[in-house]
Amino acid sequence: DSGVTQTPKHLITATGQRVTLRCSPRSGDLSVYWYQQSLDQGLQFLIQYYNGEERAKGNILERFSAQQFPDLHSELNLSSLELGDSALYFCASSPSGGSSGNTIYFGEGSWLTVV
Amino acid sequence: SQQGEEDPQALSIQEGENATMNCSYKTSINNLQWYRQNSGRGLVHLILIRSNEREKHSGRLRVTLDTSKKSSSLLITASRAADTASYFCATDATGRRALTFGSGTRLQVQP
Repeated sequence: DSGVTQTPKHLITATGQRVTLRCSPRSGDLSVYWYQQSLDQGLQFLIQYYNGEERAKGNILERFSAQQFPDLHSELNLSSLELGDSALYFCASSPSGGSSGNTIYFGEGSWLTVV
Repeated sequence: SQQGEEDPQALSIQEGENATMNCSYKTSINNLQWYRQNSGRGLVHLILIRSNEREKHSGRLRVTLDTSKKSSSLLITASRAADTASYFCATDATGRRALTFGSGTRLQVQP
């Protein structure tokens, strides 16, 4: 158990809908990262937050947004969902703002299926 | 885009044999990490090697790094069926804040 908690574990929704994925980082970790894993794209970095502020942005679509709250949990909002958004979404956390030299700890992921 | 590319994409060996996976990357890095993922599960950190290190060991794992060739290898010795998983390299590239993962090697260890 990495200490990173993600909910829901599985989610099935229709195209055009909006979903929210939730992540609680390890106790004491200030950084939260979101990754998307799909068969064709592999593991793609979406976005990072550090202590409530956006720190780095990756291949995140405009239809997607995220935030980190004062209690450090984070939410990833996915809207206007398309079939291609079906993937495993991971949250990860680390103690500091940079990944240099830091291990990042992954949650078990949220499986999103768009039908 | 993927920073790291693992080779081979898939590897099947017998229990007790050694497994070697390679990772190539494109830009300068601060460090390189290897992660393991059991099917459909989260990634688990295995080992980190810094750019000024050439080799590192952890139990049955040996990692090498050649920054001149922009490549790394992960050796798992005396493999076990429980080592069956996907293995990813992740680079902490200079100027980037987040780890970039390769496409992974699927390792199957036959009992």
